[in-house]
Amino acid sequence: GQNIDQPTEMTATEGAIVQINCTYQTSGFNGLFWYQQHAGEAPTFLSYNVLDGLEEKGRFSSFLSRSKGYSYLLLKELQMKDSASYLCAVRENSGYSTLTFGKGTMLLVSP
Amino acid sequence: KAGVTQTPRYLIKTRGQQVTLSCSPISGHRSVSWYQQTPGQGLQFLFEYFSETQRNKGNFPGRFSGRQFSNSRSEMNVSTLELGDSALYLCASSLARGLAYNEQFFGPGTRLTVL
Repeated sequence: GQNIDQPTEMTATEGAIVQINCTYQTSGFNGLFWYQQHAGEAPTFLSYNVLDGLEEKGRFSSFLSRSKGYSYLLLKELQMKDSASYLCAVRENSGYSTLTFGKGTMLLVSP
Repeated sequence: KAGVTQTPRYLIKTRGQQVTLSCSPISGHRSVSWYQQTPGQGLQFLFEYFSETQRNKGNFPGRFSGRQFSNSRSEMNVSTLELGDSALYLCASSLARGLAYNEQFFGPGTRLTVL
């Protein structure tokens, strides 16, 4: 079956670094996405990994290990506005746009 | 470029009624997907449409249905509403032209409350 696990909640302080982990067991794999969702808003795209390794984009980086079914999102120099839910999602089939989501990690950044 | 739009933004219905939600994708996007988001289950996939055809469907009962029009706009319908259908319904569009990347862009959602 499909299973995508990520921690429910995390807390961190402003200026710090936080790593949000995601493990997945899916019937197929054609890419892993990270989305950010602020309360009451739509999810917005952060990163995409389809090959093993690290993808860096400003303060955000995402890592993928396909053999381990594992990804993480690294947020550096945390800001208060980074308080949000972070969603890990897998595209299982290259023929579809469909994503299978984890339940999300609520990150609270405190001063 | 305008983003994904969804109407209405908020809706209150009673059990047994039916509801229709609308989604207009980003111009040029041919794929539209629908998701249900609840606090307990997170984002769950409902269905995906491409060129007016449903090409993928999630594990939801037949009360949930949808369609896509020739201009790529999409509607979803829920009949015989139940209390458990209360959720945020999100629509997402993508280019879907065989790109490996193929990011989905989400609309603001329709908040449905069933009383």
